[in-house]
Amino acid sequence: DQQVKQNSPSLSVQEGRISILNCDYTNSMFDYFLWYKKYPAEGPTFLISISSIKDKNEDGRFTVFLNKSAKHLSLHIVPSQPGDSAVYFCAAAAGAGGTSYGKLTFGQGTILTVHP
Amino acid sequence: DTAVSQTPKYLVTQMGNDKSIKCEQNLGHDTMYWYKQDSKKFLKIMFSYNNKELIINETVPNRFSPKSPDKAHLNLHINSLELGDSAVYFCASSTFGGAAYNEQFFGPGTRLTVL
Repeated sequence: DQQVKQNSPSLSVQEGRISILNCDYTNSMFDYFLWYKKYPAEGPTFLISISSIKDKNEDGRFTVFLNKSAKHLSLHIVPSQPGDSAVYFCAAAAGAGGTSYGKLTFGQGTILTVHP
Repeated sequence: DTAVSQTPKYLVTQMGNDKSIKCEQNLGHDTMYWYKQDSKKFLKIMFSYNNKELIINETVPNRFSPKSPDKAHLNLHINSLELGDSAVYFCASSTFGGAAYNEQFFGPGTRLTVL
């Protein structure tokens, strides 16, 4: 029972264009969502997060959108750069106020390739 | 300088052996985690410790035993290794409470191969 799903295993984008990575979840108790980025042979690195009280959070080139009614979130990268090529994981937690105790449920990742 | 470090990076062993993976963080965090990334690439939480106290214990075989000698270290000991234990194991850490729990810092992973 995969409560967080990233249905696109891979995405290929031209440098300078927008990258859109998608994530769906099924558990209505999730109220905090995160994106992590992972390079080969390294651990995941926190990228950006959003609480369920918001529908958008922006940090530089990265914006996360949350659609609670659709149980869907997306990560937009504009403009995309070759250094953004990595695996992107979506994660969710139930209990942003601390009751999650850090229990994250991850999707299976999307490989983003940005071509020069 | 490494924030979260794990040793060894690679571990190849025979079925039935007992092995340990060590994890250390120098971020001053008080919560540490172990995750398993299986062949399908899902990262699944196994354990979490806060100030040396177990706070998350997912459905993991009791052959897996975490040990936290202090809040900067969380080691994972695995008894009687099985083929299905082959995976990449990630250690992570975070601060206590609120959303900060969720913004975790990960180590580079330990690739365990059981033959």
